[in-house]
Amino acid sequence: QKEVEQDPGPLSVPEGAIVSLNCTYSNSAFQYFMWYRQYSRKGPELLMYTYSSGNKEDGRFTAQVDKSSKYISLFIRDSQPSDSATYLCAMTASFSGGYNKLIFGAGTRLAVHP
Amino acid sequence: DTAVSQTPKYLVTQMGNDKSIKCEQNLGHDTMYWYKQDSKKFLKIMFSYNNKELIINETVPNRFSPKSPDKAHLNLHINSLELGDSAVYFCASSQEKLFYNSPLHFGNGTRLTVT
Repeated sequence: QKEVEQDPGPLSVPEGAIVSLNCTYSNSAFQYFMWYRQYSRKGPELLMYTYSSGNKEDGRFTAQVDKSSKYISLFIRDSQPSDSATYLCAMTASFSGGYNKLIFGAGTRLAVHP
Repeated sequence: DTAVSQTPKYLVTQMGNDKSIKCEQNLGHDTMYWYKQDSKKFLKIMFSYNNKELIINETVPNRFSPKSPDKAHLNLHINSLELGDSAVYFCASSQEKLFYNSPLHFGNGTRLTVT
């Protein structure tokens, strides 16, 4: 079983829809949770970052972490065609020695059609 | 004003050859990384350098050898290339080695195809 599980999709939605992207994980030591967006033929770019449990909002994007269920979500409101990309969840913990390794999910491919 | 740049963008080569990929960052970051993304988009860390010192070395065949001549550069040399090495290799950097305090900045990747 992978440490981080993410449905690869693809997920196809109409413009204006609310999108929900999710990841589950098995390592209860994970404390830092991130969402990266990757456009085709480009490197991933950081979208959202949360520490421990709770919600964080940034414009049309909301990140949620439920540590008790080992489940994280990214919601996109009023989705736009420009949101079409692969969304990767990533997480890490504080290992001894202080060097963190970021563990990525496989990514969910999202297509928003006009 | 590209922050993290990799060369080449595309690399097509035959099995058994040796090749290098170069990475440079102009962000003034202390830590650099190599990640491998396979055909299923799964990103996995290979190596990390902090101020030219190797700090993360995952279970990677020793045909892969990273080198950091200075803080701004990280190269990856691959000997005796195999078909399974075909992937996209991403370079990344962060301000600190504890990257929960500082996010990763990725380059646009080097697409390696081994025939």
